[in-house]
Amino acid sequence: KAGVTQTPRYLIKTRGQQVTLSCSPISGHRSVSWYQQTPGQGLQFLFEYFSETQRNKGNFPGRFSGRQFSNSRSEMNVSTLELGDSALYLCASTITGNTGELFFGEGSRLTVL
Amino acid sequence: GENVEQHPSTLSVQEGDSAVIKCTYSDSASNYFPWYKQELGKGPQLIIDIRSNVGEKKDQRIAVTLNKTAKHFSLHITETQPEDSAVYFCAAGYTGGGNKLTFGTGTQLKVEL
Repeated sequence: KAGVTQTPRYLIKTRGQQVTLSCSPISGHRSVSWYQQTPGQGLQFLFEYFSETQRNKGNFPGRFSGRQFSNSRSEMNVSTLELGDSALYLCASTITGNTGELFFGEGSRLTVL
Repeated sequence: GENVEQHPSTLSVQEGDSAVIKCTYSDSASNYFPWYKQELGKGPQLIIDIRSNVGEKKDQRIAVTLNKTAKHFSLHITETQPEDSAVYFCAAGYTGGGNKLTFGTGTQLKVEL
């Protein structure tokens, strides 16, 4: 059974640009969550999608957005990139609708220059 | 919102010794407490979790204890092995909160030969 797949794995952008990250969950999983991981802050929750609806949102500015498609695949977008957006962006999927094991992908490492 | 504090940030033990990582949470509504292990270059992986209706849970060399009154929970690893070396994260969530988790800042565990 394939795991959570995130693309691209690495990318470099400059300040002011925008970026779109993609996540394909494990087959049958309907919940997809996104986390930002930085050395000093650990994992911080961005948002969760369940059946194409945003169910939870973390404390990030509106530059961070996401969506989920009917096949449960998800994308997140960051507009007007800032240096502080450099991080590992992790996607996690789960089959349950509530407090279950999260299956993480290996992440997309974004560097903003 | 929920805040999870985790200590220590780094922990070095000799192979065969025990390791203990402690976390505290602030929101009394939290009732789900998972622990994740992250190896270099990989996404976090669930190793054990506990819900607030139990005080302790064991799985071979790993155990988690929960003190709801004091709002703290701990991870115990016995007979540590070199492959236990990784970053460990505690987290808190709650039923009705979807799959949103608040993570601690992580503990780098090094098991030395």
